[in-house]
Parts: sequence; C-alpha cells; structure tokens
Amino acid sequence: DVKVTQSSRYLVKRTGEKVFLECVQDMDHENMFWYRQDPGLGLRLIYFSYDVKMKEKGDIPEGYSVSREKKERFSLILESASTNQTSMYLCASSLGSGRTTDTQYFGPGTRLTVL
Amino acid sequence: AQSVAQPEDQVNVAEGNPLTVKCTYSVSGNPYLFWYVQYPNRGLQFLLKYITGDNLVKGSYGFEAEFNKSQTSFHLKKPSALVSDSALYFCAVRGGDSNYQLIWGAGTKLIIKP
Repeated sequence: DVKVTQSSRYLVKRTGEKVFLECVQDMDHENMFWYRQDPGLGLRLIYFSYDVKMKEKGDIPEGYSVSREKKERFSLILESASTNQTSMYLCASSLGSGRTTDTQYFGPGTRLTVL
Repeated sequence: AQSVAQPEDQVNVAEGNPLTVKCTYSVSGNPYLFWYVQYPNRGLQFLLKYITGDNLVKGSYGFEAEFNKSQTSFHLKKPSALVSDSALYFCAVRGGDSNYQLIWGAGTKLIIKP
C-alpha cells in the first residue's frame, strides 16, 4: 500500500513565523502535490512537483514556496505565516510518468493554526 | 473553464436505504472522474475512478458510480447505507487535455442515521 506521511498532525504558529510542512511518500512516485482544504471550498492546489527539483504553481501559490530535493520528500514553506493561512494542509502523491489518469494518494493532513 | 459541482452540501439517509451523492462536471476533452472520501480528522481516501469503458464503476466499501456523458454527471451510489459511511465525499475531475491537476468539488457531507 502507498503510504504518505506528514510531519505533524497539528501545528500552532505565530504570525510572521516561517513554517515548514514536510511530506514523505514511500512508493517512488514521481508526482507530489500540496493542497489546502477549507470548509465549503474543497481542495485547492498550492503547488505540485513532477520530478526532483521541478515544481509548478497551482491555483493559490501566493505566500507559499516548495522544495523537492529528493524524490520521496516534498516540503511546503510558509515564508511569513499569516492568520489567513490557518487551514488543513494535505499532501498527495501519484505515480506519474506522464499518466494523467493516476490516482492521487493522500497523507493524513496537517491542521495549521496561525495566531 | 473546467469545473465540478456537488450541488448538495449535506445528504441525510437512513441506515439500510440507498444513497446517492451527486456530482456534475464541465471539462474540455474526455473527462477522468474520481471520488474520494474523508473521515473526520483524516486525509482523503480513494474510492473509485472512471477513465474509459463501462459507465458503471465499482469501488471500495460497496460504492459505485455511474458516468453519464449526456448529463455530464458522475453520481456516487450505494444500495444500502451504513452508519460508518458517514463522512465527507469529494468528486474530482481532470480534463483529457489538462496536466496532472485535478479540479475538486466543494464536498458533500453524508450523514447516515441509525
């Protein structure tokens, strides 16, 4: 079974702090994704990566950056956390290799609160 | 623009009754359609997907979904609901000419009452 893990289930940070969210997958997937989930809005894509050191902006990249130095690890960085970034953050991965029909597999999520 | 609509914020069903969670979509090209479920304080779990072929797709936990091209719908169904089916359900679509990105519905909360 695919396993996607996220470094924290719950996180509380203060406004202006730099925040790192880590995601690791163990199935040698090429694609990795960061979403945020807010009630009534579904999932919104922040960034995705289709290879090591490769990234593309999603729908809401402002205020976020990402890093993918190793295939299995994809990090989301909030450069200067703000209260409007309080949300549930979900990481996902999929097989890749140019296949657009791949299933995405999700981690348990990190609920971030910015005070 | 590509979009997915889940017209019901919440669906209430009595245990043992059939359930339907609705999803309609708008994409260019052939659609690839997905259903996911989210239990409280958990990540999303894959239920089923339609890529091509038979319009009726069977998935995990006894769920199935019917692809209807003329109505641009992909409704999720189960013949007999269980209390444990209570969760948040998401429909997602990818257009045939798009990249890896999925377009997500807002989610439907399914409540199964004993």
